[in-house]
Parts: sequence; structure tokens; C-alpha cells
Amino acid sequence: AQSVTQLGSHVSVSEGALVLLRCNYSSSVPPYLFWYVQYPNQGLQLLLKYTTGATLVKGINGFEAEFKKSETSFHLTKPSAHMSDAAEYFCAVSGQGGYQKVTFGTGTKLQVIP
Amino acid sequence: DARVTQTPRDKVTEMGQEVTMRCQPILGHNTVFWYRQTMKQGLELLAYFRNRAPLDDSGMPKDRFSAEMPDATLATLKIQPSEPRDSAVYFCASGRTESNYGYTFGSGTRLTVV
Repeated sequence: AQSVTQLGSHVSVSEGALVLLRCNYSSSVPPYLFWYVQYPNQGLQLLLKYTTGATLVKGINGFEAEFKKSETSFHLTKPSAHMSDAAEYFCAVSGQGGYQKVTFGTGTKLQVIP
Repeated sequence: DARVTQTPRDKVTEMGQEVTMRCQPILGHNTVFWYRQTMKQGLELLAYFRNRAPLDDSGMPKDRFSAEMPDATLATLKIQPSEPRDSAVYFCASGRTESNYGYTFGSGTRLTVV
């Protein structure tokens, strides 16, 4: 069984400040990890993914995340928040390999304050 | 960009009526997922298909929900009879079995059962 826990359902940052969204996972097999973003009234869009190899992964819109096996974490960061980053962010986990069921966290709403 | 197309975008129906939601996966994608999103439960996996065959529909209430893929270009999710508690946004997502590198989501169908 696999699951993810997102710490904080709402996070507020000032424009230009560091964005840090926390995600911890639980998996009985080596995981693939994902971050998705959802803007209002839209579907989910893949931000970035960790599969194998380099543990620091870079995604779109300046976001990156680091896979830390010892901490079972996959936190999402961005050095400088922009107003357009305001959205809901979902961490997700699956098993490795072709085709696997993806389990999502409960989401973190990011508010960016001007 | 290739897109997953979902129709209708919005649906309001009366309790007891049949509802059919449609999804056109990206051409060449052989894995299709149906998710339901509510404020209370977050994202719930309802069913998923690989090469048009249902692999797991344990997330669906079997007495009223059914999911099918009549062909590779169409996935359907039916609710009969619908109930107010079915009100949610239903997302379809597609991907390729060969690489679990994230899935592409449609924009969703917002269902309101009154």
C-alpha cells in the first residue's frame, strides 16, 4: 500500500519569498513521486516527477523537489514566489515501472500575498 | 499540445436520472483513469483501464456506477441512478503503460445532482 501526507492544507507566502510545500510518503516498494498543480476550474497538471536517478528534480515554472529516502520526503520548493503560483498542489506516489496506480495526497492550497 | 478531452464540462441533473460522462484519451495512450474530486474526500480513484480492459474498479460504488471503454478513443463513466452525494468533479486521465512518467488530466466534468 502507498500513501502520501501533505503537511498543511493552506500555505501563505509573500510574493518573492521561498515556497516550501511538504510531502511525506509511505510505500512498501520503491516509489515514483509526483507533484501536480491545479488551477481553479481546471484539471491537474504535472509539475515534476521523480522516477530513478538524480534525487533533485526540476520541473516547470521554476519548481523543484528533492527525493530523500531516509526522510521519506519529497518536498516542493521554489526560490521566489510569483502571484501566478497561487493554486492547489498535490503530491502523489506510485510504484515503479510501467503502469501503476497513482495515489494522491489531500492537496495544499498556496496563497501568494502581494 | 495533446489533450484529454472530457464532456460535458458541467452537468446538472435531478436525483434518479442517469448521467454519462465521456473522456477521449490522448492518442496512443493505453492507460485511462477516472478520479472523483470533492472537498471532503479529495481525489479518489474510481477505476482504471489498460488497453481498454478494466484493471480495478474497487473505488466505484458498484450498484450505481459503471465504467467502460468501448474503443481506444472513448472512455465512459455512468451513474444510474444519480444521487446528491455524487455531486463532484470527475476527472479522466490518460498515460502510457511503458513509462509511468505521470498522467495527463482532462479539465473535468462538474456534476451537480439536485
